[in-house]
Amino acid sequence: AQSVTQLDSQVPVFEEAPVELRCNYSSSVSVYLFWYVQYPNQGLQLLLKYLSGSTLVKSINGFEAEFNKSQTSFHLRKPSVHISDTAEYFCAVSGGYQKVTFGTGTKLQVIP
Amino acid sequence: DTEVTQTPKHLVMGMTNKKSLKCEQHMGHRAMYWYKQKAKKPPELMFVYSYEKLSINESVPSRFSPECPNSSLLNLHLHALQPEDSALYLCASSREDRGEKLFFGSGTQLSVL
Repeated sequence: AQSVTQLDSQVPVFEEAPVELRCNYSSSVSVYLFWYVQYPNQGLQLLLKYLSGSTLVKSINGFEAEFNKSQTSFHLRKPSVHISDTAEYFCAVSGGYQKVTFGTGTKLQVIP
Repeated sequence: DTEVTQTPKHLVMGMTNKKSLKCEQHMGHRAMYWYKQKAKKPPELMFVYSYEKLSINESVPSRFSPECPNSSLLNLHLHALQPEDSALYLCASSREDRGEKLFFGSGTQLSVL
């Protein structure tokens, strides 16, 4: 069985401030970890993923996440947020087979 | 073409109606998925097709009937739905069936009256 916990349902942050969205996972097997972003009335888009190799993964728009096996975490960070980053962010885990389990989501609200 | 296309975008149906949701991808992906997402909730897996065969059914009620006519198309047939089935229905695909990167469509917003 696998599960994902996103403790923060909403995170308000001022524009150009740093942000961290927390994600912890539980799995009995090796995992793939993901962050997806969902804008209003749209489907989900992959933001970044960890499959293997370097534990620090980065997206093209300045987000990064670090896989920490000992703490079973995959927190998402950005040093300076922009208004356009306002969205719902879902952490997800897969055990390398078909079923991807999503966390409950964190709504990032960037305040001008 | 890196898109998953879903039609219709919006659907309103009565509890006695029969309707179908359609999903199409032309990326050569071998796995396709149906997810259900209620407002302010995460997507919940309903079905997975791998190489055009149903491989996962997450105990979904029989009023939802999936179909995969070919490797590019995925349908979800709806019959005798309940108001609580109102949700955003998302289709996704992935290159293989190992739970790696999912490509999502923009969804069908379904309202059951």
